[in-house]
Amino acid sequence: EAAVTQSPRNKVTVTGGNVTLSCRQTNSHNYMYWYRQDTGHGLRLIHYSYGAGNLQIGDVPDGYKATRTTQEDFFLLLELASPSQTSLYFCASSDADRGKDTQYFGPGTRLLVL
Amino acid sequence: GQQVQQSPSSLVLQEGENAELQCNFSSTATQLQWFYQSPGGSLVSLLSNPSGTKHTGRLTSTTVTKERRSSLHISSSQTTDSGTYLCAIDPGNTRKLIFGLGTTLQVQP
Repeated sequence: EAAVTQSPRNKVTVTGGNVTLSCRQTNSHNYMYWYRQDTGHGLRLIHYSYGAGNLQIGDVPDGYKATRTTQEDFFLLLELASPSQTSLYFCASSDADRGKDTQYFGPGTRLLVL
Repeated sequence: GQQVQQSPSSLVLQEGENAELQCNFSSTATQLQWFYQSPGGSLVSLLSNPSGTKHTGRLTSTTVTKERRSSLHISSSQTTDSGTYLCAIDPGNTRKLIFGLGTTLQVQP
């Protein structure tokens, strides 16, 4: 089973604050993803990446930046956090392009923007 | 409209009963994945099944690609099966998943 870790697990910030969510996977997967989950909307893709230095736009990218610094590490940045970004954030990874595109998820980060 | 629709939205069973969860999707699916989300929020991949039938433990998934539907059968349900079951598809080798809203299952002792 792939190992995906996220930090912090919980975060509280104020409107206008800067937040960085971190994700690490230790299985050399090429693809990594950031999702948010909200009641009534389900899981929605924010950004994803297929390798270090690469970034692809997801379905709900507004207000978010992301950076893939290494094969293992993918960061989500909220530079001016707003209450609408209060959500449960998940990171995932997969070995897509090698026929193994099952996605494995991290434990999630609960973000509250006051 | 929602590309992935799951039914029922919620289900209550007595322990030992079987559950049948449905997933219908409006486009072709090159990948289909079933997930379990615990009441605490953690997400676990159960099965990847873009076509045909797959079994793991008490779970059986059947996907009929040309009819754009998949089912997840849980046999002999247990209280620990309680949670939300999510279906997700890749609509065409995009390497991205589109999720349904899930079926919330409650298994009573």
